[in-house]
Amino acid sequence: SAVISQKPSRDICQRGTSLTIQCQVDSQVTMMFWYRQQPGQSLTLIATANQGSEATYESGFVIDKFPISRPNLTFSTLTVSNMSPEDSSIYLCSVGLGGTKETQYFGPGTRLLVL
Amino acid sequence: AQSVSQHNHHVILSEAASLELGCNYSYGGTVNLFWYVQYPGQHLQLLLKYFSGDPLVKGIKGFEAEFIKSKFSFNLRKPSVQWSDTAEYFCAVRATGRRALTFGSGTRLQVQP
Repeated sequence: SAVISQKPSRDICQRGTSLTIQCQVDSQVTMMFWYRQQPGQSLTLIATANQGSEATYESGFVIDKFPISRPNLTFSTLTVSNMSPEDSSIYLCSVGLGGTKETQYFGPGTRLLVL
Repeated sequence: AQSVSQHNHHVILSEAASLELGCNYSYGGTVNLFWYVQYPGQHLQLLLKYFSGDPLVKGIKGFEAEFIKSKFSFNLRKPSVQWSDTAEYFCAVRATGRRALTFGSGTRLQVQP
C-alpha cells in the first residue's frame, strides 16, 4: 500500500474564491486520481493525473474549474476554482499500485464547505 | 458507460448476525472488482479485491466476496458481524483498459451491540 496525505484536511471558503488541495504520496507513482464525494453520495472521478502530461477529465468536469498539477511522481494538486456552495464536498486523491493488478489507495480526503 | 449498483443503502444488524451486501455492475467485458470500507471518521480502506482465478476472495477482518460472472455480481459477506464493523461499504469496478474506478452508492452498515 502507500501512505497518502492531503492538505488541508478541511476548509471553509467563501463563494467565488479558489482552494488548492495538495496530495503527497510516500512512493513514486505513475498515476494519481482525484475524486469527489458529495454529501451523502458515492465517489465520482474528477480526473486522472499522469506525471508529465495533461490531466484527463471525466465527463462533467473541466480544466478551468478543476485545474490539476502533477509536477513529479509523488505530488499532485487539485484546485477548485470560483467556488460555489455546490462544490461543498470531500475531495480525495488516490494512487494506483500493483502493475497489472493495480489497486487504488486513497488519501484521507479534504472536506470543503463553501458558504 | 459502466455502472455499479448497491441495492442496500442502510442495513442494521445485531452483533453475531450474518451479513451480505449486494453489488451488481453493468459491463460486458472483463472487470476487476473491489470492496472498500470507510469507518466513522476514517479514510477509505481496501477490504478485498478480485482480479481473476478463484471467484471467492477473502479479505481483512473476516470478510469475503464471491464473484458470479453470470449475474454480474460481487456480493460481500461476513458470517458474524461485530459492533466494530459499523461503517460504510463501497463496491467498485474497474473495466479492462481503464485505470479509474466506478463506485457504487455505498451501503451504511450499523451493527447494534
